[in-house]
Amino acid sequence: DSGVTQTPKHLITATGQRVTLRCSPRSGDLSVYWYQQSLDQGLQFLIQYYNGEERAKGNILERFSAQQFPDLHSELNLSSLELGDSALYFCASSVDGLAGPNEQYFGPGTRLTV
Amino acid sequence: GQQLNQSPQSMFIQEGEDVSMNCTSSSIFNTWLWYKQDPGEGPVLLIALYKAGELTSNGRLTAQFGITRKDSFLNISASIPSDVGIYFCAGTYSGGGADGLTFGKGTHLIIQP
Repeated sequence: DSGVTQTPKHLITATGQRVTLRCSPRSGDLSVYWYQQSLDQGLQFLIQYYNGEERAKGNILERFSAQQFPDLHSELNLSSLELGDSALYFCASSVDGLAGPNEQYFGPGTRLTV
Repeated sequence: GQQLNQSPQSMFIQEGEDVSMNCTSSSIFNTWLWYKQDPGEGPVLLIALYKAGELTSNGRLTAQFGITRKDSFLNISASIPSDVGIYFCAGTYSGGGADGLTFGKGTHLIIQP
Protein backbone atom coordinates (compact mmCIF):
# COMPACT_ATOMS: atom_id res chain seq x y z
CA ASP A 1 0.00 0.00 0.00
CA SER A 2 1.58 3.27 -1.20
CA GLY A 3 -0.57 5.48 1.02
CA VAL A 4 -2.11 7.21 -2.01
CA THR A 5 -5.85 6.63 -2.34
CA GLN A 6 -8.02 7.06 -5.42
CA THR A 7 -11.75 6.88 -5.92
CA PRO A 8 -13.65 5.46 -7.63
CA LYS A 9 -11.89 2.24 -8.62
CA HIS A 10 -14.00 1.87 -11.74
CA LEU A 11 -16.11 4.36 -13.67
CA ILE A 12 -18.36 3.62 -16.63
CA THR A 13 -19.92 6.51 -18.49
CA ALA A 14 -21.10 7.61 -21.92
CA THR A 15 -19.62 9.86 -24.58
CA GLY A 16 -20.18 13.54 -23.97
CA GLN A 17 -20.44 13.14 -20.22
CA ARG A 18 -18.28 14.66 -17.47
CA VAL A 19 -16.63 12.78 -14.60
CA THR A 20 -14.51 13.63 -11.57
CA LEU A 21 -11.71 11.46 -10.25
CA ARG A 22 -10.47 11.97 -6.72
CA CYS A 23 -7.06 11.46 -5.15
CA SER A 24 -5.69 11.78 -1.62
CA PRO A 25 -1.88 11.96 -1.41
CA ARG A 26 0.33 10.29 1.17
CA SER A 27 0.38 12.06 4.51
CA GLY A 28 2.91 14.89 4.32
CA ASP A 29 3.24 14.93 0.53
CA LEU A 30 2.69 18.34 -1.05
CA SER A 31 2.86 17.42 -4.74
CA VAL A 32 0.18 15.55 -6.64
CA TYR A 33 0.58 14.28 -10.19
CA TRP A 34 -1.96 12.85 -12.60
CA TYR A 35 -1.08 10.26 -15.25
CA GLN A 36 -3.04 8.48 -17.96
CA GLN A 37 -2.19 4.92 -18.98
CA SER A 38 -3.51 3.49 -22.23
CA LEU A 39 -2.39 0.56 -24.35
CA ASP A 40 -1.25 2.68 -27.26
CA GLN A 41 0.28 5.67 -25.42
CA GLY A 42 1.62 4.01 -22.28
CA LEU A 43 1.95 6.10 -19.11
CA GLN A 44 1.64 9.81 -19.88
CA PHE A 45 2.07 12.70 -17.46
CA LEU A 46 -0.95 15.01 -17.43
CA ILE A 47 -0.51 17.66 -14.75
CA GLN A 48 1.20 18.45 -11.44
CA TYR A 49 0.03 20.47 -8.46
CA TYR A 50 2.22 21.59 -5.60
CA ASN A 51 0.64 22.83 -2.37
CA GLY A 52 -2.53 23.96 -4.13
CA GLU A 53 -0.90 25.59 -7.15
CA GLU A 54 -0.54 24.22 -10.66
CA ARG A 55 3.15 23.58 -11.26
CA ALA A 56 3.47 21.80 -14.59
CA LYS A 57 1.39 20.56 -17.48
CA GLY A 58 2.12 17.58 -19.62
CA ASN A 59 -0.02 16.03 -22.33
CA ILE A 60 -3.31 17.18 -20.86
CA LEU A 61 -6.24 17.90 -23.16
CA GLU A 62 -8.14 21.16 -22.83
CA ARG A 63 -11.24 19.11 -21.96
CA PHE A 64 -9.43 17.96 -18.83
CA SER A 65 -8.73 20.04 -15.75
CA ALA A 66 -7.54 19.47 -12.21
CA GLN A 67 -7.30 21.21 -8.90
CA GLN A 68 -5.72 20.67 -5.51
CA PHE A 69 -7.62 21.68 -2.42
CA PRO A 70 -6.34 23.16 0.89
CA ASP A 71 -6.35 19.70 2.48
CA LEU A 72 -4.08 18.66 -0.46
CA HIS A 73 -6.47 16.17 -2.02
CA SER A 74 -6.85 16.58 -5.76
CA GLU A 75 -9.54 16.09 -8.35
CA LEU A 76 -9.20 15.46 -12.07
CA ASN A 77 -12.18 16.58 -14.13
CA LEU A 78 -12.74 15.04 -17.54
CA SER A 79 -15.44 16.57 -19.73
CA SER A 80 -17.00 15.99 -23.16
CA LEU A 81 -15.73 12.44 -22.90
CA GLU A 82 -14.78 10.53 -26.01
CA LEU A 83 -14.23 6.82 -26.57
CA GLY A 84 -10.50 7.45 -26.72
CA ASP A 85 -10.49 8.75 -23.16
CA SER A 86 -11.02 5.23 -21.86
CA ALA A 87 -7.89 4.46 -19.85
CA LEU A 88 -6.42 3.97 -16.42
CA TYR A 89 -5.90 7.25 -14.57
CA PHE A 90 -3.30 7.31 -11.84
CA CYS A 91 -2.54 9.82 -9.18
CA ALA A 92 0.92 9.99 -7.63
CA SER A 93 2.36 12.06 -4.82
CA SER A 94 5.77 13.14 -3.61
CA VAL A 95 7.09 15.09 -0.67
CA ASP A 96 8.59 18.00 -2.56
CA GLY A 97 8.06 18.79 -6.22
CA LEU A 98 10.38 21.77 -6.29
CA ALA A 99 13.07 20.24 -8.48
CA GLY A 100 14.34 18.12 -5.64
CA PRO A 101 14.44 14.33 -5.22
CA ASN A 102 11.34 13.10 -6.92
CA GLU A 103 10.20 9.76 -5.54
CA GLN A 104 6.63 9.53 -6.74
CA TYR A 105 4.27 7.03 -5.15
CA PHE A 106 1.30 5.90 -7.18
CA GLY A 107 -2.26 5.16 -6.17
CA PRO A 108 -4.22 2.10 -7.34
CA GLY A 109 -5.80 4.00 -10.23
CA THR A 110 -9.27 4.63 -11.62
CA ARG A 111 -10.31 2.63 -14.66
CA LEU A 112 -12.48 4.82 -16.88
CA THR A 113 -14.62 3.21 -19.55
CA VAL A 114 -16.42 5.51 -21.97
CA GLY B 1 7.81 15.14 -26.00
CA GLN B 2 10.84 13.20 -24.89
CA GLN B 3 10.83 9.42 -25.26
CA LEU B 4 12.55 6.70 -23.33
CA ASN B 5 13.57 3.60 -25.25
CA GLN B 6 13.20 0.61 -22.97
CA SER B 7 14.38 -2.86 -23.89
CA PRO B 8 13.70 -5.64 -24.15
CA GLN B 9 9.96 -5.36 -24.66
CA SER B 10 9.45 -8.77 -23.04
CA MET B 11 11.57 -11.46 -21.45
CA PHE B 12 10.85 -15.15 -21.00
CA ILE B 13 13.16 -16.61 -18.38
CA GLN B 14 13.50 -19.59 -16.06
CA GLU B 15 13.13 -19.21 -12.32
CA GLY B 16 16.53 -18.55 -10.75
CA GLU B 17 17.96 -16.74 -13.77
CA ASP B 18 19.32 -13.21 -13.65
CA VAL B 19 17.50 -10.47 -15.59
CA SER B 20 18.79 -7.29 -17.15
CA MET B 21 16.83 -4.48 -18.79
CA ASN B 22 17.74 -0.94 -19.79
CA CYS B 23 16.49 2.45 -20.85
CA THR B 24 18.09 4.99 -23.14
CA SER B 25 17.28 8.52 -24.13
CA SER B 26 18.59 11.12 -26.54
CA SER B 27 18.36 13.75 -23.79
CA ILE B 28 20.08 14.15 -20.46
CA PHE B 29 17.97 13.00 -17.53
CA ASN B 30 18.19 14.42 -14.01
CA THR B 31 16.62 11.44 -12.26
CA TRP B 32 15.97 7.81 -13.11
CA LEU B 33 13.32 5.74 -11.38
CA TRP B 34 12.37 2.10 -11.81
CA TYR B 35 8.83 0.88 -11.17
CA LYS B 36 7.04 -2.48 -11.25
CA GLN B 37 3.38 -2.78 -12.16
CA ASP B 38 1.16 -5.79 -11.58
CA PRO B 39 -2.08 -6.20 -13.55
CA GLY B 40 -4.82 -3.84 -12.39
CA GLU B 41 -2.58 -2.04 -9.91
CA GLY B 42 -0.54 1.13 -9.78
CA PRO B 43 3.22 1.24 -10.41
CA VAL B 44 5.31 0.50 -7.34
CA LEU B 45 8.60 2.34 -6.89
CA LEU B 46 11.59 -0.02 -6.77
CA ILE B 47 14.68 2.18 -6.99
CA ALA B 48 15.40 5.90 -7.40
CA LEU B 49 18.67 7.28 -8.83
CA TYR B 50 19.80 10.91 -8.67
CA LYS B 51 23.49 11.11 -9.64
CA ALA B 52 25.38 10.07 -12.75
CA GLY B 53 27.23 6.84 -12.07
CA GLU B 54 25.12 6.04 -9.00
CA LEU B 55 24.64 2.32 -8.36
CA THR B 56 21.84 1.41 -5.95
CA SER B 57 20.53 -1.92 -4.70
CA ASN B 58 17.22 -2.95 -3.21
CA GLY B 59 17.40 -6.61 -2.22
CA ARG B 60 17.92 -8.64 -5.40
CA LEU B 61 17.47 -5.53 -7.55
CA THR B 62 20.34 -3.31 -8.68
CA ALA B 63 20.04 -0.22 -10.83
CA GLN B 64 22.56 2.27 -12.21
CA PHE B 65 22.36 5.85 -13.46
CA GLY B 66 24.50 5.98 -16.60
CA ILE B 67 27.59 8.18 -16.69
CA THR B 68 26.30 10.04 -19.75
CA ARG B 69 22.99 10.64 -17.90
CA LYS B 70 21.21 9.29 -20.96
CA ASP B 71 20.68 5.74 -19.81
CA SER B 72 19.95 3.44 -16.89
CA PHE B 73 19.77 -0.29 -16.32
CA LEU B 74 18.00 -2.58 -13.87
CA ASN B 75 19.24 -6.03 -12.92
CA ILE B 76 17.29 -8.66 -11.02
CA SER B 77 19.29 -11.55 -9.61
CA ALA B 78 17.99 -15.06 -9.00
CA SER B 79 14.47 -14.38 -10.26
CA ILE B 80 11.49 -15.80 -8.39
CA PRO B 81 7.84 -16.21 -9.48
CA SER B 82 6.69 -12.98 -7.77
CA ASP B 83 9.06 -11.00 -10.00
CA VAL B 84 6.57 -11.47 -12.85
CA GLY B 85 5.12 -8.16 -13.99
CA ILE B 86 5.86 -5.11 -16.09
CA TYR B 87 8.92 -3.04 -15.24
CA PHE B 88 9.05 0.61 -16.22
CA CYS B 89 11.90 3.06 -16.30
CA ALA B 90 10.98 6.69 -15.74
CA GLY B 91 12.74 9.96 -15.23
CA THR B 92 12.79 13.71 -15.36
CA TYR B 93 14.89 15.62 -17.86
CA SER B 94 16.14 19.15 -18.30
CA GLY B 95 13.50 21.10 -20.13
CA GLY B 96 10.79 18.66 -19.20
CA GLY B 97 7.53 19.44 -17.43
CA ALA B 98 8.85 20.25 -13.95
CA ASP B 99 8.77 16.95 -12.08
CA GLY B 100 6.36 15.07 -14.29
CA LEU B 101 7.86 11.69 -15.12
CA THR B 102 8.54 10.45 -18.63
CA PHE B 103 8.00 6.68 -18.82
CA GLY B 104 9.41 3.96 -21.01
CA LYS B 105 7.05 1.48 -22.67
CA GLY B 106 7.88 -1.22 -20.16
CA THR B 107 9.55 -4.63 -20.06
CA HIS B 108 7.15 -7.52 -19.55
CA LEU B 109 8.88 -10.18 -17.44
CA ILE B 110 7.52 -13.70 -17.72
CA ILE B 111 8.98 -16.55 -15.69
CA GLN B 112 8.60 -20.03 -17.09
CA PRO B 113 8.26 -22.93 -14.65
